[in-house]
Amino acid sequence: RKEVEQDPGPFNVPEGATVAFNCTYSNSASQSFFWYRQDCRKEPKLLMSVYSSGNEDGRFTAQLNRASQYISLLIRDSKLSDSATYLCVVFKSQGAQKLVFGQGTRLTINP
Amino acid sequence: NAGVTQTPKFRVLKTGQSMTLLCAQDMNHEYMYWYRQDPGMGLRLIHYSVGEGTTAKGEVPDGYNVSRLKKQNFLLGLESAAPSQTSVYFCAIQNRDLASEQYFGPGTRLTVT
Repeated sequence: RKEVEQDPGPFNVPEGATVAFNCTYSNSASQSFFWYRQDCRKEPKLLMSVYSSGNEDGRFTAQLNRASQYISLLIRDSKLSDSATYLCVVFKSQGAQKLVFGQGTRLTINP
Repeated sequence: NAGVTQTPKFRVLKTGQSMTLLCAQDMNHEYMYWYRQDPGMGLRLIHYSVGEGTTAKGEVPDGYNVSRLKKQNFLLGLESAAPSQTSVYFCAIQNRDLASEQYFGPGTRLTVT
């Protein structure tokens, strides 16, 4: 089983729609979680950290479900500029400690 | 991009040639990383450094060497380039601890023919 798994998509949604992604992780001891976005031919950029109680940043909401070992990202009122690949990132705390990046979910917002 | 630069931005090599990629940061962050990103493979860790003068292997270190002689610079070397090393290479920095967020440089696109 992969350490971090994401649905690769692509997700094609109309502008203004709400879209949600899930990401599952295998290490129950993982402690920190992030969402990054990556535009085509650009570097990954931190979108938001994911806190245990869930957190919101404008139109973006991140949630953590430790019992089921997944994190989610909800984008409300989607904009054309939200088109990107979204990477789920989990800190692997056992063995070689490091951040583990998911392969990403590709999102296209259509006008 | 948190003050991370990468040199060069693009490069085409012939099989067997060598080159060095430079990552430089002005954030005084302790940890530095080299990743490669290939279609369908996601980001894979090549080597990393937890401080000046220290380096460690990641998950795909073969064919690469690194050095961190100065805290602000992390060099990635390809001794004898192979077509399988055609990829986009990203450098990342990290400050507080291994579990904190990383900030990436703009990447180097390398093609080996």
